[in-house]
Amino acid sequence: GDSVTQMEGPVTLSEEAFLTINCTYTATGYPSLFWYVQYPGEGLQLLLKATKADDKGSNKGFEATYRKETTSFHLEKGSVQVSDSAVYFCALSKWGSQGNLIFGKGTKLSVKP
Amino acid sequence: DTGVSQNPRHKITKRGQNVTFRCDPISEHNRLYWYRQTLGQGPEFLTYFQNEAQLEKSRLLSDRFSAERPKGSFSTLEIQRTEQGDSAMYLCASSRLAEVTDTQYFGPGTRLTVL
Repeated sequence: GDSVTQMEGPVTLSEEAFLTINCTYTATGYPSLFWYVQYPGEGLQLLLKATKADDKGSNKGFEATYRKETTSFHLEKGSVQVSDSAVYFCALSKWGSQGNLIFGKGTKLSVKP
Repeated sequence: DTGVSQNPRHKITKRGQNVTFRCDPISEHNRLYWYRQTLGQGPEFLTYFQNEAQLEKSRLLSDRFSAERPKGSFSTLEIQRTEQGDSAMYLCASSRLAEVTDTQYFGPGTRLTVL
């Protein structure tokens, strides 16, 4: 069945370090791909999304490119801040407009000053 | 938009009791979703509504679970005869049927603990 695999955490970085969180997916058809973020004590928030191959989603300095050939959607940021500490979830939309999301297990990021 | 709200935020119950959670979606959002999240895992889809119609249910939604969305506004999720395995965070999300890939906006969740 359809699934999302993301790198295990926790990930600990120093402020201003480069961030990559890997995400790969298995799906039939052409899913849409998402990154959601959960800050401590808050609900899930959409960080960015991409709806077709080669699309790049970006927001708040984070970027991810939909790579159909490698079935990947890796999250990157050039310089992380302490305020980026959160749990990041990669997800796919299984049937396009019906939108039922399939999530990965999440990757906890801690950024130290 | 005032955001998706969920009540209660926390619920502690004894095994065998019934519990009901409420979700108020963002105004005018046609779709409403329920997910369950256990510790260390990502959210898992349970069911979704388009307006008042329940269009899909996951196999995770056993016959002890029931969800309603009367009048297409707020929704309730009831769990009957709770079991310890039901302990989880229950998340509600809503979206507007306005684009091919509609963004889901999540509420803060209801954390259920079954003793």
